[in-house]
Amino acid sequence: AQKITQTQPGMFVQEKEAVTLDCTYDTSDPSYGLFWYKQPSSGEMIFLIYQGSYDQQNATEGRYSLNFQKARKSANLVISASQLGDSAMYFCAMRGNTPLVFGKGTRLSVIA
Amino acid sequence: GAGVSQSPSNKVTEKGKDVELRCDPISGHTALYWYRQSLGQGLEFLIYFQGNSAPDKSGLPSDRFSAERTGGSVSTLTIQRTQQEDSAVYLCASSSQGGWGTGSTDTQYFGPGTRLTVL
Repeated sequence: AQKITQTQPGMFVQEKEAVTLDCTYDTSDPSYGLFWYKQPSSGEMIFLIYQGSYDQQNATEGRYSLNFQKARKSANLVISASQLGDSAMYFCAMRGNTPLVFGKGTRLSVIA
Repeated sequence: GAGVSQSPSNKVTEKGKDVELRCDPISGHTALYWYRQSLGQGLEFLIYFQGNSAPDKSGLPSDRFSAERTGGSVSTLTIQRTQQEDSAVYLCASSSQGGWGTGSTDTQYFGPGTRLTVL
């Protein structure tokens, strides 16, 4: 069975600093995709970044990058230069030969 | 362009009543998904549509839950005889390809959700 673990229920970061949100996963599928979504207080799930299991390079999208360590089964999200608008819930998710499976999320609070 | 839309945004109902939740996917997206998010929890998969057919209904929690999709576009999630434990945010997502196939890079885009409260 697929499983996503996010061990940080809450994180604080100073504005303009970088922050890493942890995500580990478990799967027996040989090929899979890893996703990060942001959920602000408005409730909408916003797609941030995608990493394929066979991608050689870590994915980057603007201030977001994914630190993918396949052997350790981790897919941490790095947000550089945090902004107040980054305060939200962040969910890691994985899809292999199954529906998208989500972790329980990390609540990030950016402090001015 | 227009994203995924859902209606109503909020629904309050009495225990035992039926409710219908609607989802309008992104135009051209063949795949549509329903999820449920209970308070403080991650998302729980309910059902997946490819076109008008539902190849994966494995997440529907009971036979009180059903969903249909017509014209390969709009989908309706119906909950019959609602219970208090059905209270949650119901999220819909769509994607251009769908499926769980290996190597798929298909990304799901979510709507704003419907907050259902069963009294």
